Amino acid sequence: NAGVTQTPKFQVLKTGQSMTLQCAQDMNHNSMYWYRQDPGMGLRLIYYSASEGTTDKGEVPNGYNVSRLNKREFSLRLESAAPSQTSVYFCASKGRTNEKLFFGSGTQLSVL
Amino acid sequence: GENVEQHPSTLSVQEGDSAVIKCTYSDSASNYFPWYKQELGKRPQLIIDIRSNVGEKKDQRIAVTLNKTAKHFSLHITETQPEDSAVYFCAAQTSGNTPLVFGKGTRLSVIA
Repeated sequence: NAGVTQTPKFQVLKTGQSMTLQCAQDMNHNSMYWYRQDPGMGLRLIYYSASEGTTDKGEVPNGYNVSRLNKREFSLRLESAAPSQTSVYFCASKGRTNEKLFFGSGTQLSVL
Repeated sequence: GENVEQHPSTLSVQEGDSAVIKCTYSDSASNYFPWYKQELGKRPQLIIDIRSNVGEKKDQRIAVTLNKTAKHFSLHITETQPEDSAVYFCAAQTSGNTPLVFGKGTRLSVIA
């Protein structure tokens, strides 16, 4: 099992460009999450999907959109990137009966 | 919503000494409290967790205590080793369907 796979690992964007971060899990998990990590700010929830077909806003959703494409895949889109979105992004998933969160390896995004 | 405060933000200890990291939470309905360890450049990984019906849990050199009345929980690492150097995050969750809320993290440095 690969667990949670995120792509790309690194990305540099110019202000105003768009991009999609991809996330897939092979553990048959119901819930998937997108977090951003900034120095001194911990892990802040952007969006989550409690189950296939549903998505909900987290603590910092502005400037982002998500799509739960199917049970395996949960993508995060930046429509018009801003320097404030420079961060490390983590996708995570968990199953129905176990609260343990499994994280992807992260995407380091720089917006110039 | 839930709010998790974590202290200290940085902690330096001598190898072999103990380290204690403390967290408080705001929502008395929270019933699951995990701790994640993140090594430099890596993804967060669960190291120990505790549920609200348990006051203390141990796993080798690490232990977590929970005081539901005071709404705080702590991570204790004994006989620290250089490989314990990492950022540690506490988190709280009110139910299996709600996302984890993380503290801002503690950077632990173990000095050999």
